[in-house]
Amino acid sequence: LAKTTQPISMDSYEGQEVNITCSHNNIATNDYITWYQQFPSQGPRFIIQGYKTKVTNEVASLFIPADRKSSTLSLPRVSLSDTAVYYCLVGGNAGGTSYGKLTFGQGTILTVHP
Amino acid sequence: DAGITQSPRYKITETGRQVTLMCHQTWSHSYMFWYRQDLGHGLRLIYYSAAADITDKGEVPDGYVVSRSKTENFPLTLESATRSQTSVYFCASTENRGYGYTFGSGTRLTVV
Repeated sequence: LAKTTQPISMDSYEGQEVNITCSHNNIATNDYITWYQQFPSQGPRFIIQGYKTKVTNEVASLFIPADRKSSTLSLPRVSLSDTAVYYCLVGGNAGGTSYGKLTFGQGTILTVHP
Repeated sequence: DAGITQSPRYKITETGRQVTLMCHQTWSHSYMFWYRQDLGHGLRLIYYSAAADITDKGEVPDGYVVSRSKTENFPLTLESATRSQTSVYFCASTENRGYGYTFGSGTRLTVV
């Protein structure tokens, strides 16, 4: 199972763009890269998922280089309500047996200041 | 209401008791999962299910039992609760293999 490494914490200010990078050196060929957000006392919430290159939705962008050994979650113009823990996950092999065993790491605690 | 619901929201039980945590989803998603979340350990997978009557162990299955007789329900049973099972338990579901999960609001279980 691919292991992920993220910064433990990050600080930002309202209105800034935040980039959180995740390393996953032993990602498998069919693995997806998925990011979740978790607020205190709530379950994680799916943010974005990608396989390669760039993916963008209404809340974030995900940048994946050609070698796929890392990925960067980009949050544009953060607000106080973006203060949360952000998890990077690698897995979900649709064609193999690793599905169902997605591993959450420690995540990145993002604190947005006024 | 559509969604994934967990019950109870909070539970206190005594060591040695059997307790069942419920998870119900209204989308008829094929895949369902149980995680526990503890400080210092993040989220760890307990069990998962690919369809009704198909379940498999995750990272920390010892002391837990699951069943899935109906697609929409995935109960988690602690056969004989121990203090080390004090945790927050999250249920999740998804339809598309490899796609994002939807998590429930969690059950905070305290074993005394």
